[in-house]
Amino acid sequence: EVQLVETGGGLVQPGKSLKLTCATSGFTFSNAWMHWVRQSPEKQLEWVAQIKAKSNNYATYYAESVKGRFTISRDDSKSSVYLQMNSLKEEDTAIYYCTWPGFAYWGQGTLVTVSS
Amino acid sequence: EIVLTQSPTTMAASPGEKVTITCRASSSVSYMHWFQQKSGTSPKPWIYDTSKLASGVPDRFSGSGSGTSYSLTISSMEAEDAATYYCLQRSSYPFTFGSGTKLEIK
Repeated sequence: EVQLVETGGGLVQPGKSLKLTCATSGFTFSNAWMHWVRQSPEKQLEWVAQIKAKSNNYATYYAESVKGRFTISRDDSKSSVYLQMNSLKEEDTAIYYCTWPGFAYWGQGTLVTVSS
Repeated sequence: EIVLTQSPTTMAASPGEKVTITCRASSSVSYMHWFQQKSGTSPKPWIYDTSKLASGVPDRFSGSGSGTSYSLTISSMEAEDAATYYCLQRSSYPFTFGSGTKLEIK
């Protein structure tokens, strides 16, 4: 059974950092192209980032709204994907989901609240 | 960036009524994908590659379209179909979602 479990969310002040983790099981993670997607309090879904597999040189892609502030990474030995979020803004407040493959499976999400 | 415009934003349909939700892209895309989301849950893949139903999706649902215009259709509305539906394009980066259509049962 495919499982995606996001952790690491919480309340953080503007300008601070947070790192999200998505632990996976039930599929061959090393071959998987992983995504992070977020959903704002207004329910708008926004694609955030993608990381491809080792065979694709771990290529990464980002939404313009997070480029330069967020970094997606992976650890194939732990079947996990990460999202390092720096210089957080109030508009980054959202539920963050990891998904695979091509958005077929989603985790339960982790809530990130950016507020002073 | 390809902008996806969904319509209507909200709608209510009676049981048995035909429902159509549209998604228009600001530039041509190869395929459109659709998700269903109910309150408090993660989005579920519903229709992929424009017209293919995800596993477990009732065959009263269908998808169609090409280029910049796509649609999701329910041939006969049922209470369990009440949800928010989102379209997604992943033909070009950055991938983008529509703003959602909230479908309610009358």
